[in-house]
Amino acid sequence: GENVGLHLPTLSVQEGDNSIINCAYSNSASDYFIWYKQESGKGPQFIIDIRSNMDKRQGQRVTVLLNKTVKHLSLQIAATQPGDSAVYFCAENMSGDYKLSFGAGTTVTVRA
Amino acid sequence: EAQVTQNPRYLITVTGKKLTVTCSQNMNHEYMSWYRQDPGLGLRQIYYSMNVEVTDKGDVPEGYKVSRKEKRNFPLILESPSPNQTSLYFCASSSGAAGELFFGEGSRLTVL
Repeated sequence: GENVGLHLPTLSVQEGDNSIINCAYSNSASDYFIWYKQESGKGPQFIIDIRSNMDKRQGQRVTVLLNKTVKHLSLQIAATQPGDSAVYFCAENMSGDYKLSFGAGTTVTVRA
Repeated sequence: EAQVTQNPRYLITVTGKKLTVTCSQNMNHEYMSWYRQDPGLGLRQIYYSMNVEVTDKGDVPEGYKVSRKEKRNFPLILESPSPNQTSLYFCASSSGAAGELFFGEGSRLTVL
């Protein structure tokens, strides 16, 4: 089947720096993308989403960028804080489909 | 408080002993889903349900059963557990087919 994958399994970031987490997807028919954050011992939590008719969407300290040409999705976290340490998953969905496909995840560690 | 509740949170069992992991949500969500999380594989969908009495297979349904007799409950049944079903299981719900899923805290199952 189609896969949603993250470029790097781990990312170490200095506190205060910006983080960029990347995700490549292969299903060109996917039109809805979501980022989830999973803290240790907890279930994933919704961060931000974007539809394929957009290139960029901003939330509080987070920005998601979508490049449909190269099928690439990224999550940018501004001024990374210790509480941002977690595993980040991208997920994709296709209109009319009731499945959400997740990538393998990127573990972000924030250095003090 | 809006939440998805799973039980048990931890379980060690033996091969072949039937078990049920319960899932309940208090948000009146129509869509519910079960995922398993394994290292390096991210979250893989087991089964999902669009509404009461409507269930369908996800990507890895073998060895599992589900039921949706009530809107709030979506139990996951392992009729004859095997060691390859040792995993971390998450139940999730949402108001739509995909998108902002609300996850439970997870159930860590070990099958000996």
